[in-house]
Amino acid sequence: QSALTQPASVSGSPGQSITISCTGTSSDVGDYNYVSWYQHHPGKAPKLMIYDVSKRPSGVSNRFSGSKSGNTASLTISGLQAEDEADYYCSSFTSISTLMFGGGTKLTVL
Amino acid sequence: QVTLRESGPALVKPTQTLTLTCTFSGFSLSTSGMCVSWIRQPPGKALEWLARIDWDDDKYYSTSLKTRLTISKDTSKNQVVLTMTNMDPVDTATYYCARIERSGYYFHYWGQGTLVTVSS
Repeated sequence: QSALTQPASVSGSPGQSITISCTGTSSDVGDYNYVSWYQHHPGKAPKLMIYDVSKRPSGVSNRFSGSKSGNTASLTISGLQAEDEADYYCSSFTSISTLMFGGGTKLTVL
Repeated sequence: QVTLRESGPALVKPTQTLTLTCTFSGFSLSTSGMCVSWIRQPPGKALEWLARIDWDDDKYYSTSLKTRLTISKDTSKNQVVLTMTNMDPVDTATYYCARIERSGYYFHYWGQGTLVTVSS
């Protein structure tokens, strides 16, 4: 199984919106609504930002939103803030009951 | 309050077997729907899912590593143990354990991670 495909990097200025894509196959992203997104600051534990494609855990800003179309899921961050600068990973359940992560996207706030 | 903490050796030699323990609190792995996974991150690289154990003792492994991994649980001690055989320098990574919500297969709570270096 290959990792889910994410862009290596994205950037945006404070206040702008950015979208990170996560492309899988019909055996994972395309077939299940079990896509989640994680924010990871170096040296810290990853933090759950979105689960079940588009749900936000309690305490996560509504500036973070998720969606899915076909085999591609997306994370959108609106009103970019400096503290959003981090690595972001998507994850999906698969048809063989395993889990997998994307290759990660480094978000730079300019 | 849910917490997880990884423990194990910081340094292992090539060909040795790594044993990591995840000690958790705030939930029971005997409760329906509870699962615990292991994930790792080599320096400068992406997260990689390794294994999962469910409340009913079902176990699942990364297809690329399944021949080297064993996951088990001790419900009475609130612990999950991962063993990885035949360690190699490419296995140098920070190893995390995390609680999975079976309802959605997402990693809700994470430990802080433990760095394991493989070197002779």
